[in-house]
Amino acid sequence: QKEVEQNSGPLSVPEGAIASLNCTYSDRGSQSFFWYRQYSGKSPELIMFIYSNGDKEDGRFTAQLNKASQYVSLLIRDSQPSDSATYLCAVNMGRGDKIIFGKGTRLHILP
Amino acid sequence: EPEVTQTPSHQVTQMGQEVILRCVPISNHLYFYWYRQILGQKVEFLVSFYNNEISEKSEIFDDQFSVERPDGSNFTLKIRSTKLEDSAMYFCASHGYSNQPQHFGDGTRLSIL
Repeated sequence: QKEVEQNSGPLSVPEGAIASLNCTYSDRGSQSFFWYRQYSGKSPELIMFIYSNGDKEDGRFTAQLNKASQYVSLLIRDSQPSDSATYLCAVNMGRGDKIIFGKGTRLHILP
Repeated sequence: EPEVTQTPSHQVTQMGQEVILRCVPISNHLYFYWYRQILGQKVEFLVSFYNNEISEKSEIFDDQFSVERPDGSNFTLKIRSTKLEDSAMYFCASHGYSNQPQHFGDGTRLSIL
C-alpha cells in the first residue's frame, strides 16, 4: 500500500517563529512532491512543489526534499496567524499523475 | 488567475438517487481528476482522465461511478445510485502537462439523506 505519512498535530508555533512540517512517503519511485494548505471547509490550495533533492524557496516558504530518506518538509518563516490551517503533503505515486495525500498536519500560529 | 469551477457547491440527494457533479477545468489543461474527502479524513484519489479516457481509477471508483467530458469544457462525475457513505466533499482538479501541480476547484459538498 503506497502511503504518505504526516504527524496530525496540532503543531503550535508562536507568531513570527519558524514552523516545520514533515512528511514521509513509501514509494521510492515518486518524482513529484506537493504541499497544499487547506482551511477548514475549503479546498486544497497549492503552496509549494518540488521535484529535485535539496531546497526550494518561495517567499516565506521553503520545501526540502531528500529522496534517499523518502522525506519531504515544509518550512514557514515568520509565521502569521493566517498560516493557521491544515497542511497536506501530496506525492505522485505509481503510474500516471495521480497524487496521494497524507492526512495533513494542523498548524496553529499563536498570536 | 484561471480557476477550476465546480457546481453545485452543495448537493443534497436521497439515497438511491443519481447525482451528477460538474466541473469546468482550467481551459488549456489536459489532465483531469476527481478526489473526495469524507469529513475529518484525508483527500482520496478517485479517478484520473486524459485524452478522453480514464487513465487510472481507485478501488473507491466502482461501477456506481462514471466520468464524462461531454464537450470541450465540462468534466462530470456521476454516481448512479447514491449511498449514505458517498456523503463527502468532492474535488475536481486539473493540470496542463505531466507532473505539473494540480489545481483544485472549491469542491461540491454532497449530502446523502
